[in-house]
Amino acid sequence: EDQVTQSPEALRLQEGESSSLNCSYTVSGLRGLFWYRQDPGKGPEFLFTLYSAGEEKEKERLKATLTKKESFLHITAPKPEDSATYLCAVQNNNDMRFGAGTRLTVKP
Amino acid sequence: GAVVSQHPSRVICKSGTSVKIECRSLDFQATTMFWYRQFPKQSLMLMATSNEGSKATYEQGVEKDKFLINHASLTLSTLTVTSAHPEDSSFYICSAQRGRGGEQYFGPGTRLTVT
Repeated sequence: EDQVTQSPEALRLQEGESSSLNCSYTVSGLRGLFWYRQDPGKGPEFLFTLYSAGEEKEKERLKATLTKKESFLHITAPKPEDSATYLCAVQNNNDMRFGAGTRLTVKP
Repeated sequence: GAVVSQHPSRVICKSGTSVKIECRSLDFQATTMFWYRQFPKQSLMLMATSNEGSKATYEQGVEKDKFLINHASLTLSTLTVTSAHPEDSSFYICSAQRGRGGEQYFGPGTRLTVT
């Protein structure tokens, strides 16, 4: 059965303290892995799509990487405005499956 | 850009009534739209997949007669919660997919409260 597991469940960082969020997956026929950011009471905001192992994408302080078993979302020198829940999702041939998310809090 | 809107953003209704939620892709055509439900501090739960011009595909455990989905055009899908009950209170989010198997772009969500 396809599974997506995100860790940690919650992460508290000081401003400027870099860290990584993990998304482990087992899926038959991966067509894409997606990262989203979700603020409370809002819909998820698309960040990245990764299609194949070894691929990396960057946007401002965020960098997403992909292997055959997991993806990392690296946050470099985070700011309080980066506080949000980060969701990853995997797309197989039929549907998209979401992880439970990592709730990130960045304290000033 | 890829903008998806939802209307209304919040709705309060009485038990037994029906509520319609609209989802529109504003700047692209979406062959496929999705409806999700999200409980507090939980991830998105896919309810149904909606393809333009055809019947929606519902996930296991989702009552198709209770959650009516219509995808009348490439830019509009609607979810109607019929005979709403307090346990239907939740955050409903739609998404639109640009291209087959591509990323989904989400609407801002609709907070439904059934009293």
